Amino acid sequence: AQKVTQAQTEISVVEKEDVTLDCVYETRDTTYYLFWYKQPPSGELVFLIRRNSFDEQNEISGRYSWNFQKSTSSFNFTITASQVVDSAVYFCAPSSMAGSYQLTFGKGTKLSVIP
Amino acid sequence: EAGVVQSPRYKIIEKKQPVAFWCNPISGHNTLYWYLQNLGQGPELLIRYENEEAVDDSQLPKDRFSAERLKGVDSTLKIQPAELGDSAVYLCASSSPGYNEQFFGPGTRLTVL
Repeated sequence: AQKVTQAQTEISVVEKEDVTLDCVYETRDTTYYLFWYKQPPSGELVFLIRRNSFDEQNEISGRYSWNFQKSTSSFNFTITASQVVDSAVYFCAPSSMAGSYQLTFGKGTKLSVIP
Repeated sequence: EAGVVQSPRYKIIEKKQPVAFWCNPISGHNTLYWYLQNLGQGPELLIRYENEEAVDDSQLPKDRFSAERLKGVDSTLKIQPAELGDSAVYLCASSSPGYNEQFFGPGTRLTVL
């Protein structure tokens, strides 16, 4: 079973600021996946990234970057130079690497980027 | 490539009425998921299909909820009878064989009056 804590319920930033969304997870699995999804006001969850638990390299994709720290069970997400279109609810979700592949979502962090 | 299609997008019914939601997954995706998302919460899995087989329905309230995926493609989720507490967004997702990146549809927002 997995559990995820996104302690930041809501964050507001001014456009062009950098922002980091925190994610702390719990799992009994020795190997697992970690996901981030974005849910804009339209409601459709958009896949952002999947990381394997045995790959702790940080990843950068354009303005997005992810910092995975297995020792602290954290998988934080940073948006550089935020834009209004980044306004959404962001979900972190661990998943087993076998069996059901069930995603366990937290309550999400609502990000508002103010122009 | 077309994404996951869901209909209707919105549904308003009175309590005790039946309601059904339809999902068409991405072509080639054999795994299909139904999730329930309450306001201010993350999605919670209701049922997972591998082709036609429901392989995980432990979270589905079977007294009033049912689902089917007869030909291993489209799926229907039904609630009968609906209760006030069923008001939520019902999300469908699919994934391809061997991968667990799930791609979500736009959801059906159900309001039970």
